[in-house]
Amino acid sequence: EAQVTQNPRYLITVTGKKLTVTCSQNMNHEYMSWYRQDPGLGLRQIYYSMNVEVTDKGDVPEGYKVSRKEKRNFPLILESPSPNQTSLYFCASSGRGVNTEAFFGQGTRLTVV
Amino acid sequence: DQQVKQNSPSLSVQEGRISILNCDYTNSMFDYFLWYKKYPAEGPTFLISISSIKDKNEDGRFTVFLNKSAKHLSLHIVPSQPGDSAVYFCAASGYYGQNFVFGPGTRLSVLP
Repeated sequence: EAQVTQNPRYLITVTGKKLTVTCSQNMNHEYMSWYRQDPGLGLRQIYYSMNVEVTDKGDVPEGYKVSRKEKRNFPLILESPSPNQTSLYFCASSGRGVNTEAFFGQGTRLTVV
Repeated sequence: DQQVKQNSPSLSVQEGRISILNCDYTNSMFDYFLWYKKYPAEGPTFLISISSIKDKNEDGRFTVFLNKSAKHLSLHIVPSQPGDSAVYFCAASGYYGQNFVFGPGTRLSVLP
């Protein structure tokens, strides 16, 4: 089954404690991205990757890092989480070519206290 | 400034009637438009799309209309069903459809 898998689904952490949210896709997609969803703001892109070892900032990259060492994986790293990073996070992937849609993971609800 | 706008945060419709969700965009370089549906505790799922060379695309009960001159698109759901109750996101991208910009979403409630 084609899917994007994120882990964990829920996470509560304390300010400053480094964390990683994993994302994996089994569709051999070149393009992967991370979004955060906040009330009234919709989905805002954090980082994206066009292919292995190619990453770039989205609209709200501050406080986040990513890496793309393998095509299927695109982890999101918060080196020093802060309460304003409390949000719902989604990983997405899409294939090469025109007019393709993005496939989303089920989301990770992060709370930073 | 938001490039993709959905000015109605919520919409309530009676079962069996038509639901119309609206979306406006500002970037004339957008070439491909999508609607996603999101249920609580799930990721967004793709619903329907339209490229800029068309003004209408239909898939069962769902139809998307695009007015490029007005930079406006709409999603029509006919007839609406209670299972359609969800948050709907409008999204736009350039020609290669990889860097998507999303609107804030509209919560649709279909009342039995």
